[in-house]
Amino acid sequence: DTAVSQTPKYLVTQMGNDKSIKCEQNLGHDTMYWYKQDSKKFLKIMFSYNNKELIINETVPNRFSPKSPDKAHLNLHINSLELGDSAVYFCASSQALGGDPHYGYTFGSGTRLTVV
Amino acid sequence: KNQVEQSPQSLIILEGKNCTLQCNYTVSPFSNLRWYKQDTGRGPVSLTIMTFSENTKSNGRYTATLDADTKQSSLHITASQLSDSASYICVVGSSNTGKLIFGQGTTLQVKP
Repeated sequence: DTAVSQTPKYLVTQMGNDKSIKCEQNLGHDTMYWYKQDSKKFLKIMFSYNNKELIINETVPNRFSPKSPDKAHLNLHINSLELGDSAVYFCASSQALGGDPHYGYTFGSGTRLTVV
Repeated sequence: KNQVEQSPQSLIILEGKNCTLQCNYTVSPFSNLRWYKQDTGRGPVSLTIMTFSENTKSNGRYTATLDADTKQSSLHITASQLSDSASYICVVGSSNTGKLIFGQGTTLQVKP
């Protein structure tokens, strides 16, 4: 199946732990993103990578560190997890940087992170 | 400030009925407007994408309209089905940053 797949789907962990979420796309897209969807359902961009290069880095705590080993993968590592990090994290990809109307986004199914 | 506001926040309709969801935006400069459907526990899936020059676009029972002068869009769902129960998110692209600005979504519940 052609898709954006992210793992794990659910992640429950204690405060202070370090965790990673993995994302892979087999669509041949050049750009990948991480979004955070909070309890109010707003999706907010965190990072964008284009061909393994960081393009967008929103105001995100430096405890969050994306890593792109190749253009098909964008992983998100979170250090020293806090209660406020609990949210659903979505990976997405597109052929070009998101503003281009000719290219849609494809989202993964999300990772629900719960910090206890 | 670039913002996207949707109304209503939630909506309940009976199966087979039509409904219209609204989106107002203040994003500038405007590039495109997208409507997404997000089922519970899933990622958003694109329904329509419109540029400045397009004022309507259909995808099956979904029809989106865009008025770039008033900065308003609507998503009309015809002959609703139970599977239409989801959140519908309006997203506006900014042409100078390449970023997408997401609305909060309208949660639609279709009841039998």
